Amino acid sequence: EAEVAQSPRYKITEKSQAVAFWCDPISGHATLYWYRQILGQGPELLVQFQDESVVDDSQLPKDRFSAERLKGVDSTLKIQPAELGDSAMYLCASRAKNEQFFGPGTRLTVL
Amino acid sequence: SQQGEEDPQALSIQEGENATMNCSYKTSINNLQWYRQNSGRGLVHLILIRSNEREKHSGRLRVTLDTSKKSSSLLITASRAADTASYFCATDAGTGFQKLVFGTGTRLLVSP
Repeated sequence: EAEVAQSPRYKITEKSQAVAFWCDPISGHATLYWYRQILGQGPELLVQFQDESVVDDSQLPKDRFSAERLKGVDSTLKIQPAELGDSAMYLCASRAKNEQFFGPGTRLTVL
Repeated sequence: SQQGEEDPQALSIQEGENATMNCSYKTSINNLQWYRQNSGRGLVHLILIRSNEREKHSGRLRVTLDTSKKSSSLLITASRAADTASYFCATDAGTGFQKLVFGTGTRLLVSP
């Protein structure tokens, strides 16, 4: 069964460092999402792509976060510089019809 | 921002019992979905109910939707230890590209 792939699964970094997360959606899925999930809360949307275009980045802290999906397939989310408050799970999802398929996530710890 | 709130925040039951979780939301929706998240993992889609539907079943899952009260409930019948997970409701306002807004989640513990 096709799955959304994410790497790394875990990342520990020091504040002010740069970090990057990678996501490979299910083949053929045009819509890709990045979410941030703080422990004990539900996922919150950071950015949404339709093919290679950003369709919603209203909740993305653009002073430090960036996201790209250059060829409309895989995607990278970057944080520079990382802050203590960025410690969270970063989830990627892709969509088919009304259902979103999530990857296993990247657990980020900022020290 | 979280669209919905779920209650209870945590629920502990024995295997074989039923588990009911409730979700309240704030704005008009096109559909409401329920997802499950096992500890430290990604979310898995369980069921979708459209705004013109009142009840839907899938296996041991039963979902109800009351748009006048802006609320939904998820019932899991005959719970199993493998049902232990966090459950989230997510609303889709149906405007433009699908954007889900998740609730705060209910942590369910099913003990053998």
